[in-house]
Amino acid sequence: NAGVTQTPKFQVLKTGQSMTLQCAQDMNHEYMSWYRQDPGMGLRLIHYSVGAGITDQGEVPNGYNVSRSTTEDFPLRLLSAAPSQTSVYFCASKTVSTDTQYFGPGTRLTVL
Amino acid sequence: DQQVKQNSPSLSVQEGRISILNCDYTNSMFDYFLWYKKYPAEGPTFLISISSIKDKNEDGRFTVFLNKSAKHLSLHIVPSQPGDSAVYFCAATPPIIFGKGTRLHILP
Repeated sequence: NAGVTQTPKFQVLKTGQSMTLQCAQDMNHEYMSWYRQDPGMGLRLIHYSVGAGITDQGEVPNGYNVSRSTTEDFPLRLLSAAPSQTSVYFCASKTVSTDTQYFGPGTRLTVL
Repeated sequence: DQQVKQNSPSLSVQEGRISILNCDYTNSMFDYFLWYKKYPAEGPTFLISISSIKDKNEDGRFTVFLNKSAKHLSLHIVPSQPGDSAVYFCAATPPIIFGKGTRLHILP
């Protein structure tokens, strides 16, 4: 089991550029989510999904889009990157019957 | 308004002694609490959890205590080891809300 994988590990963007952060899990988990971690702010939920075709907003969804076409993949799209989106992004997954999430290694994004 | 608070940004403890990390919450509807540990450049990993129907859960060197009347939980690590140096996040659910984390330094 690879668990939760994220690509890329690092990314530098210019303001206004778009990109997609990839997340995949091989544990057949129904629930997947995206968080951002900023200094002194802990982990904040961006978007989540309880299954293929179902997504919902978390605490800080603005500027991000998600889709869930398969159980395994949950990409996060930045449509027009802003410096305020400089952060470390974590993807996580779990079964719907538990509260324990498994996190990926993170993507460190810098927007100039 | 922070629903889950970890008021100590950092904590230093001598190796072999007890580490106590604290977490307070405001929402009485939370019914499950978790602790995650995070090393630099890695994702958080699950450490231990507790249901609101319990007041203590133990797993090896790690024990979590829950005081519902005070809306307070704590993580005890005994004895503390060098590999315990990390950032510890408290989380409460539903929906899942994370605290800001406490950086634990284990001193030799």
